[in-house]
Amino acid sequence: GQNIDQPTEMTATEGAIVQINCTYQTSGFNGLFWYQQHAGEAPTFLSYNVLDGLEEKGRFSSFLSRSKGYSYLLLKELQMKDSASYLCAVDSNYQLIWGAGTKLIIKP
Amino acid sequence: EAGVVQSPRYKIIEKKQPVAFWCNPISGHNTLYWYLQNLGQGPELLIRYENEEAVDDSQLPKDRFSAERLKGVDSTLKIQPAELGDSAVYLCASSLGEQSNTGELFFGEGSRLTVL
Repeated sequence: GQNIDQPTEMTATEGAIVQINCTYQTSGFNGLFWYQQHAGEAPTFLSYNVLDGLEEKGRFSSFLSRSKGYSYLLLKELQMKDSASYLCAVDSNYQLIWGAGTKLIIKP
Repeated sequence: EAGVVQSPRYKIIEKKQPVAFWCNPISGHNTLYWYLQNLGQGPELLIRYENEEAVDDSQLPKDRFSAERLKGVDSTLKIQPAELGDSAVYLCASSLGEQSNTGELFFGEGSRLTVL
């Protein structure tokens, strides 16, 4: 089968750094996506990784290790507006396999 | 540039009634998706279109769900008859459909269905 695992919920403090992990087992791999979804809103694209390594985009970075079936999303200098769910999705032979999402709670 | 437009945003119906959702994707996006999302879960694919062709409808409950994408632009998703378990958010998304991967998906705001 194909599956993606992410922690259900994480809590962090405003101004701190948080790492959200994603592990996957899929039959194919054409890349891994991270999306952000605020409560009651649609998911919005954050990052895409297809090669091993770190991709940095402002306060957000995403890392991929294909051999380990592992990715993480790193959020720096956390702001209250970063409170949201973060969804990991793997493109497996042009089918997107979605994780259940990690709800991130930011405390002042 | 306009994003993906969906309507209605909210719909409340009684079980066994029909319901329809409409989606207008971003201009030029050939690939269109309908997803179902329950609270605290990731999106679940119902159907994917490449232009007007349904290329993946394996997860669509065809006894009660139907979809169409006439002229390869707008799309409608219909449920008839609706059941209590169909209460969810129905998300439409579109993408350019790149050669090497699915590409970035652009989502509409979703249609929240409540079946009583």
